[in-house]
Amino acid sequence: AQTVTQSQPEMSVQEAETVTLSCTYDTSESDYYLFWYKQPPSRQMILVIRQEAYKQQNATENRFSVNFQKAAKSFSLKISDSQLGDAAMYFCALRVLSNQFYFGTGTSLTVIP
Amino acid sequence: DSGVTQTPKHLITATGQRVTLRCSPRSGDLSVYWYQQSLDQGLQFLIQYYNGEERAKGNILERFSAQQFPDLHSELNLSSLELGDSALYFCASSVGGRSRGSAEAFFGQGTRLTVV
Repeated sequence: AQTVTQSQPEMSVQEAETVTLSCTYDTSESDYYLFWYKQPPSRQMILVIRQEAYKQQNATENRFSVNFQKAAKSFSLKISDSQLGDAAMYFCALRVLSNQFYFGTGTSLTVIP
Repeated sequence: DSGVTQTPKHLITATGQRVTLRCSPRSGDLSVYWYQQSLDQGLQFLIQYYNGEERAKGNILERFSAQQFPDLHSELNLSSLELGDSALYFCASSVGGRSRGSAEAFFGQGTRLTVV
């Protein structure tokens, strides 16, 4: 069975500062994908970043980067130079080769001006 | 624009009624997923289809059913509606298969269902 755990229901960060959102997962598969999705108040689900398990290099997308620790089954998201528009619910997700997706319960991020 | 189209965007209906939500996946995507999200809650996986066949079932009530048609669009049917069914229903699509290409799920804007 696959599980995704986000242990931080809420986080806050000062504008222009850096924040890290945590995610741990469990799967018995060796090949899988990990994602972070953002859900702003509009409730649209937006892909932030993805990581292939077979790649050792951590993915980066502009101000967003991940710390992928495969052995520890940890996949954290770092947001640098936080902006007001980063305020949203963030979901960590795992996709296995059967094409099923497993989502965490989400972390609500508040950005303080 | 994710390329996934859901209709209608909003739906208000009475308890006991039946509604159909429609989803058109991104061009080329074979997998379709349905999720339910109640206010301030996470995503509850309902069901997955791949190229017309049911692939996985989540916490989908017996009052709910879905199918994926030969043109790959999908419909989610909700019947005997209750107040607690009020939620945002998302459809997502992905390429599917074992391709190392675009592996992510692309989400539609959702259908906001209100049962009164």
